[in-house]
Amino acid sequence: NAGVTQTPKFQVLKTGQSMTLQCAQDMNHNSMYWYRQDPGMGLRLIYYSASEGTTDKGEVPNGYNVSRLNKREFSLRLESAAPSQTSVYFCASRAGTTNTEAFFGQGTRLTVV
Amino acid sequence: ELKVEQNPLFLSMQEGKNYTIYCNYSTTSDRLYWYRQDPGKSLESLFVLLSNGAVKQEGRLMASLDTKARLSTLHITAAVHDLSATYFCAVGSGGGADGLTFGKGTHLIIQP
Repeated sequence: NAGVTQTPKFQVLKTGQSMTLQCAQDMNHNSMYWYRQDPGMGLRLIYYSASEGTTDKGEVPNGYNVSRLNKREFSLRLESAAPSQTSVYFCASRAGTTNTEAFFGQGTRLTVV
Repeated sequence: ELKVEQNPLFLSMQEGKNYTIYCNYSTTSDRLYWYRQDPGKSLESLFVLLSNGAVKQEGRLMASLDTKARLSTLHITAAVHDLSATYFCAVGSGGGADGLTFGKGTHLIIQP
């Protein structure tokens, strides 16, 4: 079982470039999430999607946009990358909105120079 | 705003010893999750605690939840080197998709 798959695994961008991080889950989960992980900061929620067709801002949404393309896929876009967006990005999914554990992808390590 | 605090943030201990990691959170919630992360890897779910007084055990790890005190503990019994990792607690923050709010993590090193 693939679970949650993220692409790419590594990426280096120049300041001002744009890119899209892809995430897909094969568990038929309703809710999907994007987090970023920075040293000593734990994980912080960027955006989430409670169901297909809906998206909402999390704790740190500035500089990002998302698309819930269908039930399986949830992408994160950086329109104009900044060095402050250097981080490890994790996509996660959950079966329902509460009382269920989240399953995480392998992460995308993004460096903006 | 929900805040989740873990302590200690760094812990070095010897094999065979017992220790407890604490997770405090600031607002009412009855959904508490523990995750493990190995260096350079993803997060692995350890425990899901969904009610006051919930206790779950897996091997040398035991987690508990006291919703009245807004406190969860992760207890390690007779630690072994393989348990070296970073441990995160996370609390369901409510809202449309109940996004998780994470603590900063406890970096645990277990030395022979």
